[in-house]
Amino acid sequence: EAGVAQSPRYKIIEKRQSVAFWCNPISGHATLYWYQQILGQGPKLLIQFQNNGVVDDSQLPKDRFSAERLKGVDSTLKIQPAKLEDSAVYLCASSLPDVSWAVGTGTGTYEQYFGPGTRLTVT
Amino acid sequence: TQLLEQSPQFLSIQEGENLTVYCNSSSVFSSLQWYRQEPGEGPVLLVTVVTGGEVKKLKRLTFQFGDARKDSSLHITAAQPGDTGLYLCAGAPALYNQGGKLIFGQGTELSVKP
Repeated sequence: EAGVAQSPRYKIIEKRQSVAFWCNPISGHATLYWYQQILGQGPKLLIQFQNNGVVDDSQLPKDRFSAERLKGVDSTLKIQPAKLEDSAVYLCASSLPDVSWAVGTGTGTYEQYFGPGTRLTVT
Repeated sequence: TQLLEQSPQFLSIQEGENLTVYCNSSSVFSSLQWYRQEPGEGPVLLVTVVTGGEVKKLKRLTFQFGDARKDSSLHITAAQPGDTGLYLCAGAPALYNQGGKLIFGQGTELSVKP
């Protein structure tokens, strides 16, 4: 089974430029996540999709970041314009939907599978 | 805001030593995962614990979920250089409106020297 694919693996841009990242989740995984990870720290959730709908984007800086998942499979994350503090690894993850949370029982395991990430350097 | 506190943040040991990493919270989780991340790669799932008091073993790694499902530990016996990496704990909040999301700890950087 193929894993989560991401591209590009590395990107160097100047501040105020724009950049886009692409993610292809594991086949059949309806839930897709974008995380930002600062070196040596845990991932911080930016946005969560269930199929092509947004479940949580509360920590997405919407003045410069945008994400879409138009057909419920692939997703793109865009930054425009980039700032120095956006330098980080951007991780995409996917998981099978767990209906327990949808019906309010809160008993799911929510295992997530990550791609290799895109290391962004803003100069 | 729910938080997972991991300790220690950094650990540098010699090959053959034992170590324990802790993951603590004041919140209850329906499950907790441990991931290992190597430089330049994404986190890889090691184990999921679901039941309070549960203990799972993966070769030299032992994972335990606290009785109240608020904390977890990872114990490595006879560490090897191949164990080097960033260890992350992540909990699924046991709340309806948090469904599907994981809360990540800040990670433990482990370095095992030969």
